[in-house]
Amino acid sequence: SAVISQKPSRDICQRGTSLTIQCQVDSQVTMMFWYRQQPGQSLTLIATANQGSEATYESGFVIDKFPISRPNLTFSTLTVSNMSPEDSSIYLCSAHSPGSYNEQFFGPGTRLTVL
Amino acid sequence: GESVGLHLPTLSVQEGDNSIINCAYSNSASDYFIWYKQESGKGPQFIIDIRSNMDKRQGQRVTVLLNKTVKHLSLQIAATQPGDSAVYFCAEARINKFYFGSGTKLNVKP
Repeated sequence: SAVISQKPSRDICQRGTSLTIQCQVDSQVTMMFWYRQQPGQSLTLIATANQGSEATYESGFVIDKFPISRPNLTFSTLTVSNMSPEDSSIYLCSAHSPGSYNEQFFGPGTRLTVL
Repeated sequence: GESVGLHLPTLSVQEGDNSIINCAYSNSASDYFIWYKQESGKGPQFIIDIRSNMDKRQGQRVTVLLNKTVKHLSLQIAATQPGDSAVYFCAEARINKFYFGSGTKLNVKP
Protein backbone atom coordinates (compact mmCIF):
# COMPACT_ATOMS: atom_id res chain seq x y z
CA SER A 1 0.00 0.00 0.00
CA ALA A 2 0.97 3.66 -0.23
CA VAL A 3 0.52 6.45 2.29
CA ILE A 4 -0.21 9.86 0.81
CA SER A 5 -0.03 13.17 2.61
CA GLN A 6 -1.13 16.59 1.42
CA LYS A 7 -0.29 20.11 2.48
CA PRO A 8 -2.05 22.31 3.39
CA SER A 9 -4.98 20.42 4.83
CA ARG A 10 -7.15 23.50 4.40
CA ASP A 11 -6.85 27.12 3.43
CA ILE A 12 -8.95 30.21 2.99
CA CYS A 13 -7.83 32.40 0.11
CA GLN A 14 -8.79 35.65 -1.51
CA ARG A 15 -10.10 35.70 -5.05
CA GLY A 16 -7.48 36.39 -7.67
CA THR A 17 -4.70 34.70 -5.74
CA SER A 18 -3.14 31.28 -6.33
CA LEU A 19 -2.59 28.32 -4.02
CA THR A 20 -0.17 25.45 -4.49
CA ILE A 21 -1.09 22.11 -2.96
CA GLN A 22 1.62 19.58 -2.25
CA CYS A 23 1.24 15.82 -2.41
CA GLN A 24 3.83 13.41 -0.99
CA VAL A 25 3.78 9.63 -1.40
CA ASP A 26 5.79 7.36 0.87
CA SER A 27 6.93 5.16 -2.02
CA GLN A 28 7.80 5.61 -5.66
CA VAL A 29 4.78 5.58 -7.94
CA THR A 30 4.49 6.00 -11.67
CA MET A 31 1.17 7.75 -11.98
CA MET A 32 -0.30 10.38 -9.70
CA PHE A 33 -3.69 11.99 -10.07
CA TRP A 34 -5.46 15.12 -8.94
CA TYR A 35 -9.18 15.23 -8.25
CA ARG A 36 -11.67 17.86 -7.20
CA GLN A 37 -14.58 17.09 -4.94
CA GLN A 38 -17.21 19.71 -4.26
CA PRO A 39 -19.13 19.39 -1.01
CA GLY A 40 -21.60 16.53 -1.06
CA GLN A 41 -20.60 15.49 -4.54
CA SER A 42 -18.52 12.92 -6.34
CA LEU A 43 -14.88 13.16 -7.37
CA THR A 44 -13.90 14.68 -10.70
CA LEU A 45 -10.56 13.82 -12.24
CA ILE A 46 -8.59 16.97 -13.06
CA ALA A 47 -5.38 15.56 -14.51
CA THR A 48 -2.81 12.80 -14.49
CA ALA A 49 0.72 13.71 -13.45
CA ASN A 50 3.52 11.52 -14.78
CA GLN A 51 7.13 12.01 -13.85
CA GLY A 52 9.19 13.34 -16.72
CA SER A 53 6.31 14.43 -18.92
CA GLU A 54 3.60 17.04 -19.09
CA ALA A 55 0.45 16.41 -17.12
CA THR A 56 -2.58 15.29 -19.12
CA TYR A 57 -5.77 17.14 -18.38
CA GLU A 58 -9.35 15.95 -18.50
CA SER A 59 -12.02 17.75 -20.44
CA GLY A 60 -12.91 21.02 -18.79
CA PHE A 61 -9.56 21.52 -17.07
CA VAL A 62 -6.64 23.48 -18.48
CA ILE A 63 -3.00 23.88 -17.59
CA ASP A 64 -3.20 27.66 -17.20
CA LYS A 65 -5.76 27.27 -14.44
CA PHE A 66 -4.35 24.13 -12.80
CA PRO A 67 -0.62 23.88 -13.46
CA ILE A 68 0.87 20.65 -12.15
CA SER A 69 4.43 19.69 -11.35
CA ARG A 70 5.84 16.18 -10.97
CA PRO A 71 9.55 16.56 -10.22
CA ASN A 72 10.12 12.99 -9.02
CA LEU A 73 8.39 9.67 -8.35
CA THR A 74 7.13 10.58 -4.87
CA PHE A 75 5.94 14.17 -5.16
CA SER A 76 3.53 16.37 -7.10
CA THR A 77 2.00 19.80 -6.78
CA LEU A 78 -1.26 21.26 -8.07
CA THR A 79 -1.68 25.03 -8.30
CA VAL A 80 -5.12 26.58 -8.39
CA SER A 81 -4.52 29.86 -10.21
CA ASN A 82 -6.42 33.12 -10.19
CA MET A 83 -8.96 31.69 -7.81
CA SER A 84 -12.63 32.52 -7.70
CA PRO A 85 -15.30 31.36 -5.22
CA GLU A 86 -16.26 28.64 -7.72
CA ASP A 87 -12.89 27.00 -7.02
CA SER A 88 -13.91 26.34 -3.43
CA SER A 89 -13.68 22.60 -3.16
CA ILE A 90 -11.69 19.72 -1.77
CA TYR A 91 -8.67 18.80 -3.86
CA LEU A 92 -7.43 15.24 -3.57
CA CYS A 93 -4.22 13.63 -4.69
CA SER A 94 -4.01 9.94 -5.46
CA ALA A 95 -1.59 7.35 -6.78
CA HIS A 96 -1.75 3.78 -7.93
CA SER A 97 -0.55 1.21 -5.48
CA PRO A 98 3.04 0.27 -6.40
CA GLY A 99 2.92 -2.78 -8.63
CA SER A 100 -0.84 -2.68 -8.99
CA TYR A 101 -3.01 -0.55 -11.19
CA ASN A 102 -6.18 -1.92 -9.67
CA GLU A 103 -6.01 0.21 -6.59
CA GLN A 104 -5.59 3.92 -6.07
CA PHE A 105 -4.68 5.38 -2.72
CA PHE A 106 -5.88 8.82 -1.82
CA GLY A 107 -4.52 11.60 0.27
CA PRO A 108 -6.73 13.20 2.94
CA GLY A 109 -7.55 16.15 0.70
CA THR A 110 -7.06 19.91 0.85
CA ARG A 111 -10.16 21.90 1.67
CA LEU A 112 -10.01 25.22 -0.17
CA THR A 113 -12.34 28.13 0.48
CA VAL A 114 -12.12 31.16 -1.79
CA LEU A 115 -13.68 34.39 -0.56
CA GLY B 1 -14.43 15.67 -16.23
CA GLU B 2 -16.41 12.49 -16.56
CA SER B 3 -17.76 12.08 -13.06
CA VAL B 4 -21.35 12.70 -12.20
CA GLY B 5 -21.96 15.40 -9.64
CA LEU B 6 -25.13 14.69 -7.72
CA HIS B 7 -26.57 15.42 -4.33
CA LEU B 8 -25.98 12.17 -2.54
CA PRO B 9 -28.88 9.82 -1.87
CA THR B 10 -28.98 8.25 1.58
CA LEU B 11 -29.51 4.63 2.51
CA SER B 12 -30.46 3.97 6.14
CA VAL B 13 -30.11 0.46 7.51
CA GLN B 14 -30.35 -1.16 10.90
CA GLU B 15 -27.15 -2.47 12.45
CA GLY B 16 -26.79 -6.13 11.60
CA ASP B 17 -28.85 -5.95 8.42
CA ASN B 18 -27.39 -6.33 4.96
CA SER B 19 -26.86 -3.23 2.82
CA ILE B 20 -27.05 -2.98 -0.94
CA ILE B 21 -25.63 0.08 -2.64
CA ASN B 22 -26.21 0.55 -6.33
CA CYS B 23 -24.40 2.38 -9.07
CA ALA B 24 -25.01 2.90 -12.78
CA TYR B 25 -22.03 3.37 -15.04
CA SER B 26 -21.80 4.88 -18.48
CA ASN B 27 -18.90 3.46 -20.44
CA SER B 28 -18.90 -0.14 -21.63
CA ALA B 29 -15.16 0.15 -22.41
CA SER B 30 -14.18 0.27 -18.74
CA ASP B 31 -11.55 -2.28 -17.76
CA TYR B 32 -12.71 -2.79 -14.23
CA PHE B 33 -14.84 -1.25 -11.52
CA ILE B 34 -14.02 -0.26 -7.99
CA TRP B 35 -15.92 0.61 -4.84
CA TYR B 36 -14.58 3.22 -2.46
CA LYS B 37 -15.65 4.24 1.03
CA GLN B 38 -15.21 7.83 2.14
CA GLU B 39 -15.58 8.87 5.74
CA SER B 40 -16.11 12.48 6.67
CA GLY B 41 -12.95 14.56 6.31
CA LYS B 42 -10.94 11.75 4.74
CA GLY B 43 -9.93 10.63 1.29
CA PRO B 44 -11.65 7.66 -0.35
CA GLN B 45 -10.56 4.22 0.80
CA PHE B 46 -10.47 1.19 -1.53
CA ILE B 47 -12.96 -1.55 -0.69
CA ILE B 48 -13.08 -4.00 -3.57
CA ASP B 49 -12.76 -4.15 -7.33
CA ILE B 50 -14.04 -6.37 -10.11
CA ARG B 51 -12.77 -6.93 -13.61
CA SER B 52 -15.13 -6.28 -16.50
CA ASN B 53 -15.06 -9.97 -17.48
CA MET B 54 -16.45 -11.05 -14.12
CA ASP B 55 -19.94 -10.74 -12.69
CA LYS B 56 -19.30 -11.34 -9.01
CA ARG B 57 -16.49 -10.98 -6.54
CA GLN B 58 -16.48 -11.47 -2.80
CA GLY B 59 -14.36 -9.97 -0.11
CA GLN B 60 -14.58 -9.86 3.63
CA ARG B 61 -18.24 -9.01 4.35
CA VAL B 62 -18.58 -7.37 0.95
CA THR B 63 -19.71 -8.65 -2.43
CA VAL B 64 -19.66 -6.73 -5.70
CA LEU B 65 -22.00 -7.67 -8.53
CA LEU B 66 -21.57 -6.47 -12.08
CA ASN B 67 -24.34 -6.55 -14.67
CA LYS B 68 -22.88 -5.41 -17.94
CA THR B 69 -26.15 -5.80 -19.81
CA VAL B 70 -27.71 -2.92 -17.93
CA LYS B 71 -24.42 -1.25 -16.90
CA HIS B 72 -25.13 -1.70 -13.24
CA LEU B 73 -22.85 -2.30 -10.30
CA SER B 74 -23.80 -3.10 -6.73
CA LEU B 75 -22.02 -3.43 -3.42
CA GLN B 76 -23.47 -5.69 -0.80
CA ILE B 77 -22.32 -5.32 2.78
CA ALA B 78 -23.21 -8.18 5.11
CA ALA B 79 -24.09 -7.60 8.77
CA THR B 80 -23.71 -3.83 8.49
CA GLN B 81 -21.90 -2.22 11.40
CA PRO B 82 -21.86 1.38 12.67
CA GLY B 83 -18.31 1.69 11.33
CA ASP B 84 -19.70 1.15 7.84
CA SER B 85 -21.43 4.54 7.97
CA ALA B 86 -19.82 6.59 5.21
CA VAL B 87 -20.29 7.68 1.62
CA TYR B 88 -19.73 4.95 -0.94
CA PHE B 89 -18.59 5.68 -4.48
CA CYS B 90 -18.27 3.46 -7.48
CA ALA B 91 -15.57 4.16 -10.03
CA GLU B 92 -14.76 2.98 -13.53
CA ALA B 93 -11.18 2.35 -14.57
CA ARG B 94 -10.10 3.08 -18.13
CA ILE B 95 -6.49 3.28 -19.25
CA ASN B 96 -5.35 3.38 -15.61
CA LYS B 97 -7.56 6.39 -14.84
CA PHE B 98 -10.48 6.23 -12.46
CA TYR B 99 -13.75 8.01 -13.14
CA PHE B 100 -16.05 8.24 -10.17
CA GLY B 101 -19.77 7.77 -10.42
CA SER B 102 -22.54 8.78 -8.11
CA GLY B 103 -22.16 8.26 -4.39
CA THR B 104 -24.50 6.95 -1.72
CA LYS B 105 -24.46 7.90 1.91
CA LEU B 106 -24.90 4.86 4.14
CA ASN B 107 -26.35 5.58 7.55
CA VAL B 108 -26.27 2.67 10.00
CA LYS B 109 -28.74 2.92 12.84
CA PRO B 110 -27.79 1.23 16.12
